[in-house]
Amino acid sequence: EVQLVESGGGLVQPGGSLKVSCAGSQFMFSDFAIHWVRQAPGKGLEWVGRIRSMPNGGSKAYAASVRGRFTISRDDSKNTTYLQMNSLKTDDTAVYYCTRQGGDYWGQGTRVTVSS
Amino acid sequence: DVVLTQTPLSSPVTLGQTASISCRSRQSLVHSDGNTYLSWLHQRPGQPPRVLIYKVSDRFSGVPDRFSGSGAVTDFTLKINRVEAEDVGIYYCMQTTQFPYTFGQGTKLEIQ
Repeated sequence: EVQLVESGGGLVQPGGSLKVSCAGSQFMFSDFAIHWVRQAPGKGLEWVGRIRSMPNGGSKAYAASVRGRFTISRDDSKNTTYLQMNSLKTDDTAVYYCTRQGGDYWGQGTRVTVSS
Repeated sequence: DVVLTQTPLSSPVTLGQTASISCRSRQSLVHSDGNTYLSWLHQRPGQPPRVLIYKVSDRFSGVPDRFSGSGAVTDFTLKINRVEAEDVGIYYCMQTTQFPYTFGQGTKLEIQ
């Protein structure tokens, strides 16, 4: 079955950086755009950004709330997408999920806490 | 961005009864390829969201037929027949027709 597994979350101070990963398996990872979605404690789902497949140009797009601070990349040789988060704010505290194009499969999430 | 509005935001329901959740979009969700990419997700406490329904009315693999989706263009409904205890949690509609993906606010299903 299709699987997406996030990792790398943790506690970071405001202004700090963190890189989380999303590893896919049981599907042709390189053919799919990967999206990142986050959920702050007790809140709903918020789209964060996406990276297209390399055959479709590999372009990236971000929500206004993270643009200029977050960067998405991918390494198809490792079936993995990365979310580099810089200049973190307390408002970035959330569980970060990856989902593949179409939103049919989701990972279990990785928790990022920004606090001093 | 496409705004999705769910009603109600809270739905107390008796076991065995039917629950219905509405999702309205301010814009058409019909894609240029003719499909309508409106999905319904279910999230239990402490768990990730999982897809129940995609493309308005197609049930995802393993989803009981108690769950059904309907609607078109801007108005969509999720119906849960014979509600069971395991159905509690938050239900979200999600559109992947237009970029970026957007979500409804969520509807909390509770057993009364």
